[in-house]
Amino acid sequence: ELKVEQNPLFLSMQEGKNYTIYCNYSTTSDRLYWYRQDPGKSLESLFVLLSNGAVKQEGRLMASLDTKARLSTLHITAAVHDLSATYFCAVEGTSGSRLTFGEGTQLTVNP
Amino acid sequence: SAVISQKPSRDICQRGTSLTIQCQVDSQVTMMFWYRQQPGQSLTLIATANQGSEATYESGFVIDKFPISRPNLTFSTLTVSNMSPEDSSIYLCSVKGRTANTEAFFGQGTRLTVV
Repeated sequence: ELKVEQNPLFLSMQEGKNYTIYCNYSTTSDRLYWYRQDPGKSLESLFVLLSNGAVKQEGRLMASLDTKARLSTLHITAAVHDLSATYFCAVEGTSGSRLTFGEGTQLTVNP
Repeated sequence: SAVISQKPSRDICQRGTSLTIQCQVDSQVTMMFWYRQQPGQSLTLIATANQGSEATYESGFVIDKFPISRPNLTFSTLTVSNMSPEDSSIYLCSVKGRTANTEAFFGQGTRLTVV
């Protein structure tokens, strides 16, 4: 059974600081996703990572994937208040279908 | 990418009643899924909606409580039956394209409150 663990689960940081969210998963995967969710809203797709060593960046967020270590990271650079949200990683199994989600990281960026 | 229309976006229902949620996709897709997100929790897969046959349910979810239909490749419904306050959640439809090498997309979700 595929298990996905995120840490930290809660993150409070000051504007301008850098931080990394980690996502570990237990078995081989075809694809890893990062989503953002604002309170009461659906999921906003941030990144889809397909292969070992993949790195994608969008604004202050950068995601990477190490399939050998079964680890993905979401790095936040010079955080701003607008980044406050819950971030989920989700792993797609080798059957190429369902997603298994991490617990989510609730990020609060303080002025 | 796929455009997914999920209805209703939110509802407040009395306990003991049922609600049917619709998911419409703008293109034919192979896989359709229904997820539940309880307050403050992550997303959990309820079932895979199979076209023309019974849905495949995950452990802890049963057809009597969450009947699912999928009459064609672009449409599915999830019914939450005999609701209780514990069913208050966001329910999300997700789809994947016809080829294995496609990403998953999510609808806007249905926020259900049972009183």
